Parts: sequence; structure tokens; C-alpha cells
Amino acid sequence: GENVEQHPSTLSVQEGDSAVIKCTYSDSASNYFPWYKQELGKGPQLIIDIRSNVGEKKDQRIAVTLNKTAKHFSLHITETQPEDSAVYFCAASTRGSTLGRLYFGRGTQLTVWP
Amino acid sequence: GAGVSQSPSNKVTEKGKDVELRCDPISGHTALYWYRQSLGQGLEFLIYFQGNSAPDKSGLPSDRFSAERTGGSVSTLTIQRTQQEDSAVYLCASQALGQGNTIYFGEGSWLTVV
Repeated sequence: GENVEQHPSTLSVQEGDSAVIKCTYSDSASNYFPWYKQELGKGPQLIIDIRSNVGEKKDQRIAVTLNKTAKHFSLHITETQPEDSAVYFCAASTRGSTLGRLYFGRGTQLTVWP
Repeated sequence: GAGVSQSPSNKVTEKGKDVELRCDPISGHTALYWYRQSLGQGLEFLIYFQGNSAPDKSGLPSDRFSAERTGGSVSTLTIQRTQQEDSAVYLCASQALGQGNTIYFGEGSWLTVV
């Protein structure tokens, strides 16, 4: 099955700086890559996703890039704010018989210091 | 309802007892997932229901774990003869096919086995 690796496991940045989290995947058939944010005591919440037919997607301060050749994708958060502090998970999915099932990375604990 | 609802939110049980965790998916969502999240770990896939198809049980860690989904809506995850290593947050998620691969998570049921 798919194997998703995520780095770093922890990340501390100063408010206003940028944060980058990187993931790699193993299955070249994967074609959907969501990112989830999980705040303490809550379930993961989708913040952005990208499909394999595009290389980059932006939503305000958040962007995701995808390199299918290298099988890696990254989350970029600009102008970080303390409320961005949370655990971020990347995931990958394929279509077909396993439609919908997500394979998750182990998460990145992001701390934004004021 | 507006989101995925799980109950109980917290459960403390004695080792050896059986527990049931309930999930109410978003109305109209045909796909339902159970994931497990141990402290500081990523999300471990347990089981996936899609419509009337046979569920994908490939992630269940042992035969002490089972799940059912009645009427294509509510799901119950049952853990028999609980062990301390079963302590984790059990997350339920649902998905509406035909609307991309967005999977929505509930807030989880925190299980502690003492």
C-alpha cells in the first residue's frame, strides 16, 4: 500500500515568518493530496487539497505544491499567526477500488511564537 | 446534522471490558471511515464502509475489533476484551462521493483503558 513520510515532526517559527512542511509518497498511482489541521482536542479539519493535474494551489496564506515526478508535496504557510499553531497532517489517496481511503503522514506539530 | 457526530466523547473502561463507540455521519454521505490516533501518532486506518459494498476491514488490528453500519448511516465500532494498548482517540469520518475526495472528520472518542 501507499507510504507517506512527513517532515519535520516539530516546527517552531516566529509570528510573521513562513512555515514549510514536506511529504513524500510511494505509490505513483496516488492522485489526491489533502492537508489537515488538527487543533488540540478536535478532529482533523481539511485546510487545502491538490489533485495530480495541477502543480500548485493557493488559498490566502496557504499554498500547496506537488511534484509528481519526485513524488513529493509541500504545505507553505506565509505570515504565520499564533492561531496557526496546531498539528498538520498530509495525506495521499488513489482512485479505483480504494477510492476515498487516505494514507496519512505522522504529523507536524507547528508552534507559532508571538 | 451539520457535521460528523461521535459519542461518547470520552470513555474510561477497565481492561477486559467491551466498549462501543458510535458515529453519526453527515446526512447523505455514503462513505464512512474509522481511524485510530494514538498519543503523538498519525492516523491509523481501521475500516471503511461504502454504500452496500462489503466493508474494507483491512486495517482492523485484531479480531477483538469489529464495526457495523446500519441502514447506511450510523456506525458502531466495538472493541471486545479491551487492552491498555487500545487506549487512543477513535476518529470517524464521512465522505460524499461525487464531490471530490473531501473527507470530513468528527471530533473523536477518547478511549482510556485502565
